Amino acid sequence: NAGVMQNPRHLVRRRGQEARLRCSPMKGHSHVYWYRQLPEEGLKFMVYLQKENIIDESGMPKERFSAEFPKEGPSILRIQQVVRGDSAAYFCASSPPGDTQYFGPGTRLTVL
Amino acid sequence: AQSVAQPEDQVNVAEGNPLTVKCTYSVSGNPYLFWYVQYPNRGLQFLLKYITGDNLVKGSYGFEAEFNKSQTSFHLKKPSALVSDSALYFCAVSPQGRALTFGSGTRLQVQP
Repeated sequence: NAGVMQNPRHLVRRRGQEARLRCSPMKGHSHVYWYRQLPEEGLKFMVYLQKENIIDESGMPKERFSAEFPKEGPSILRIQQVVRGDSAAYFCASSPPGDTQYFGPGTRLTVL
Repeated sequence: AQSVAQPEDQVNVAEGNPLTVKCTYSVSGNPYLFWYVQYPNRGLQFLLKYITGDNLVKGSYGFEAEFNKSQTSFHLKKPSALVSDSALYFCAVSPQGRALTFGSGTRLQVQP
């Protein structure tokens, strides 16, 4: 049973470009969560999704950030017009409803 | 709103000695409490959780944690530390299986 998969593992973007981060949940998991980890800090919740629904986006910045989890395919975290402050590790977790979250290896975004 | 405090940035322990990593929490209602471990440049690995029942929870790799409701604590323990336990440990709380709120992390250093 494959774990949570994220790609790319490393992503370099110049200021103003778009970043797309992908997350494939574990088999049988219908819930996806995105978290951001700044250097030497803990993880901060961004958004919680089920298939085709955003359940909680209270941690998402109001501008430039969006997330989706379509009926088919991976969950996508999209960051438009990236700035240097977006440089961080972005982790995806998946779970069955109301159960333990299992994390992917993360995508390390560097904005030049 | 919930919060988690990990009062120690770093814990140093000699191999073979017992270890404790401290965590206190604040949450309304009954907490779901978790411990995760993060190795360098990796995602988080689930160690153990408390939802209900016995206050002493046993988890992966010989770790255990004790839930203390009166002290709102959930300290991580291991009877005999290994050098390979050296990593970053995160305590987290979740209101009934929703988004996790993480502590700032504690770096465990086990000396040979």
